Amino acid sequence: KNQVEQSPQSLIILEGKNCTLQCNYTVSPFSNLRWYKQDTGRGPVSLTIMTFSENTKSNGRYTATLDADTKQSSLHITASQLSDSASYICVVSSSGGSYIPTFGRGTSLIVHP
Amino acid sequence: NAGVTQTPKFRVLKTGQSMTLLCAQDMNHEYMYWYRQDPGMGLRLIHYSVGEGTTAKGEVPDGYNVSRLKKQNFLLGLESAAPSQTSVYFCASSYSRGLAGEIYEQYFGPGTRLTVT
Repeated sequence: KNQVEQSPQSLIILEGKNCTLQCNYTVSPFSNLRWYKQDTGRGPVSLTIMTFSENTKSNGRYTATLDADTKQSSLHITASQLSDSASYICVVSSSGGSYIPTFGRGTSLIVHP
Repeated sequence: NAGVTQTPKFRVLKTGQSMTLLCAQDMNHEYMYWYRQDPGMGLRLIHYSVGEGTTAKGEVPDGYNVSRLKKQNFLLGLESAAPSQTSVYFCASSYSRGLAGEIYEQYFGPGTRLTVT
């Protein structure tokens, strides 16, 4: 069964600090992995999308990495801001069979001043 | 562009009542999706559509029906609401299906919070 596991479940950091969120997956065959940011009460917004051949992608202060061999991804946030407080969701899509993407449960990040 | 819009934003139903959630997109996307999001769980796909007049079952389709009569609209219906359908419902749209080497962007609506008592 395809699965996406995210860690930690929640994280509290001080404004200005860096942090790294983890995503491990068992989806096969792999097509792409994306990270979403979901603010409270809103729909998810895409941060990065990576295919098998990409091992890093940046979007401003957000940098995602992908290791397709170990089936792991990370999202690194640099110089955190209060507006980074949100849930970060890892989603993995398969290239074979059913279209249905597999969503992780998300990491809840709180940035304190 | 308004992007993806959902109507209504909030709704309270009694068990057994019916209702329809409306999703509209103005980006000319072929694909549209309905998800539900419950506390402590990832988003789960209910139904999706790959084009006008087509629908397909997702991961959790039971108790829901959908219709895609127009390319820009995707309706989600609850014929007889149950408390287990209390959730936040998100609609999304994209240009194409994610096949090997092909990347698509999903755009989500703001969500509909549904409570069934």
